[in-house]
Amino acid sequence: EVQLVQSGAEVKKPGESLNISCKASGYTFTTYWIGWVRQMPGKGLEWMGIIYPGDSDTRFSPSFQGQVTLSVDKSVSTAYLKWSTLKASDTAIYYCVRHGRNLELIEFWGQGTLVTVST
Amino acid sequence: SYVLTQPPSVSVASGKTARITCGGDNIESKSVYWYQQRPGQAPLVVIYNDNERPSGIPERFSGSNSGNTATLTISGVEAGDEADYYCQVWNSYNDHVVFGGGTKLTAL
Repeated sequence: EVQLVQSGAEVKKPGESLNISCKASGYTFTTYWIGWVRQMPGKGLEWMGIIYPGDSDTRFSPSFQGQVTLSVDKSVSTAYLKWSTLKASDTAIYYCVRHGRNLELIEFWGQGTLVTVST
Repeated sequence: SYVLTQPPSVSVASGKTARITCGGDNIESKSVYWYQQRPGQAPLVVIYNDNERPSGIPERFSGSNSGNTATLTISGVEAGDEADYYCQVWNSYNDHVVFGGGTKLTAL
């Protein structure tokens, strides 16, 4: 059974950095693209980007290119989403997602991590 | 960039058929995916490749894709179908996912 288990909720201040995680299990981690989807409060889904754990190749939505960093640790089958400088507008739920073999389909979703950025 | 347009809301009497549209330029040339998001939950796919249902999704859910419009059809709508529904395609021009704005389905 494929599972994506995300780290817990975070409360940070503007300007701080943050790393959230997504531990994958139930499949071969290095052979499927894994990524992140943002959902701001009361809003729709926004795809941020994906990373291929086999070689760390990445694809980004133009809206998020340069705004966040994607990484993986193959030794623990975990993907990470990192901000260097948080803004209040980063407040959202972030879902870890695993794409299917054809890349187009998002097959599995994590439970979501709520990030709150506030003074 | 490629844009998908959905109606913000659709209301239908319980037991009737709901149709949620997703408009995009020549969308019929792309594979369309539909996700259901119940309140407080993560999304899950209900239709993939325009009209295929994952295991566990009721036959009441179906999809079609023609011209500039893809449609998710839910027959015999139940209270449990109340959710936000999102269409999605893959933009192969620059390799990224595009979501529609989402449609809130209400069962009256």
